[in-house]
Order: sequence, then structure tokens, then C-alpha cells
Amino acid sequence: KQEVTQIPAALSVPEGENLVLNCSFTDSAIYNLQWFRQDPGKGLTSLLLIQSSQREQTSGRLNASLDKSSGRSTLYIAASQPGDSATYLCAVRAGTALIFGKGTTLSVSS
Amino acid sequence: ETGVTQSPTHLIKTRGQQVTLRCSSQSGHNTVSWYQQALGQGPQFIFQYYREEENGRGNFPPRFSGLQFPNYSSELNVNALELDDSALYLCASSLFGQVMNTEAFFGQGTRLTVV
Repeated sequence: KQEVTQIPAALSVPEGENLVLNCSFTDSAIYNLQWFRQDPGKGLTSLLLIQSSQREQTSGRLNASLDKSSGRSTLYIAASQPGDSATYLCAVRAGTALIFGKGTTLSVSS
Repeated sequence: ETGVTQSPTHLIKTRGQQVTLRCSSQSGHNTVSWYQQALGQGPQFIFQYYREEENGRGNFPPRFSGLQFPNYSSELNVNALELDDSALYLCASSLFGQVMNTEAFFGQGTRLTVV
């Protein structure tokens, strides 16, 4: 059974800091991995999609990496801003379902 | 290009009642999935619809059912509501093809409270 774990559960950083969010999964047989952002009480906003054959994807200040063999992904956020404060979720697709972690709640102070 | 839209945004129901939630998928997408997100948890997969048929289901009882219409919009129906059904219900649309590697886009969710 696929399980996804995100560490840390919460993170507080000052504005301008670079940071890394971690995601691990137990079964390497995945089609892709997707990172999402969720603001309190809102839906999910897709940030990056990494196909199983890819190693990383970049969008603006965000960079996500994937090491399928070790079951790990990282989301790197450069020069963090208060507007980055949200919960970040990673999800793997191994079939019809996306399997989610519980998320990392990020707080960026000005 | 329109995004995924869900209605209503908030809903309060009494235990034992039935509820219907609605979702319009993103333009060009042919697959709709539903997820339940309890407070402080990641979303849990309920089921997926493709070509108007259920083609994948998570660990949810039969009182959770759905429909997909020819225009790819979808409904989630929950019968005999229980207090534990209180959650944020999320709809996601994607493009299903021979290789299952498409990006999923989510709506803003429906907050269901069962009292």
C-alpha cells in the first residue's frame, strides 16, 4: 500500500530565506508526483508536476526534484515571501488515485 | 480556458440526510475525481469517473456514489449522512489517456458540515 509522508509538519522562516520541503513515498512504482499549495479552507493549486521519467521541474522560485528509486521528492522555495505562507502537499499517482501526504504548513514572517 | 468549479461552497446538513455536490471540469478534460479532506489531513480518494463510468474507487462505503455527464461535469452523492462525513470535498479534473501522466487540477472545494 502506497504511503506518503511529509516532513516537517510545520515550518516557520523569516522572509528571504531559502527552504526545502520533503516528501517520501513507500512504493517507487509511480506515474508522476505533483506538488500543491493549499490556503486555509481553500482548494488545491497545482505547483509542479514531475513525470516518473524526470528528475526535476522548475517554475519561477520553485524547484521540485524526484528520486524515484529512493522514494523521495523535495520542493525548494527560493527567497521566501510572506505570500508563500500556506500548506504544501505532495501527491503521487500510482493508478487512478492521487495519494497525498498530510502536508507541510509554512509560515513566512516579514 | 475555464478552471474547475464546484457548488455549493458551503453546506450544512443533518445526520441521516442526503447531499449532492456538483463539479464542472476544466475545459478539455475528460476525467473527474472526488476527494474528501478532513481537517488537518491530506485529501483521500473517493472515486474517479471516465466516460461516464466509475473507473477507480477508494476505501469509501457504497453510500458515496457519483455521476459523470456527457459534458464531463460530475456529481457526488452521499446518502445517510454521518457526523464523520463533515469535511472539505474536492473535485479534480484531468485528461486520461493511454499513459496516466496528466496533471490534476482541483476546484475550490465544498465545505460540508453534518450536525
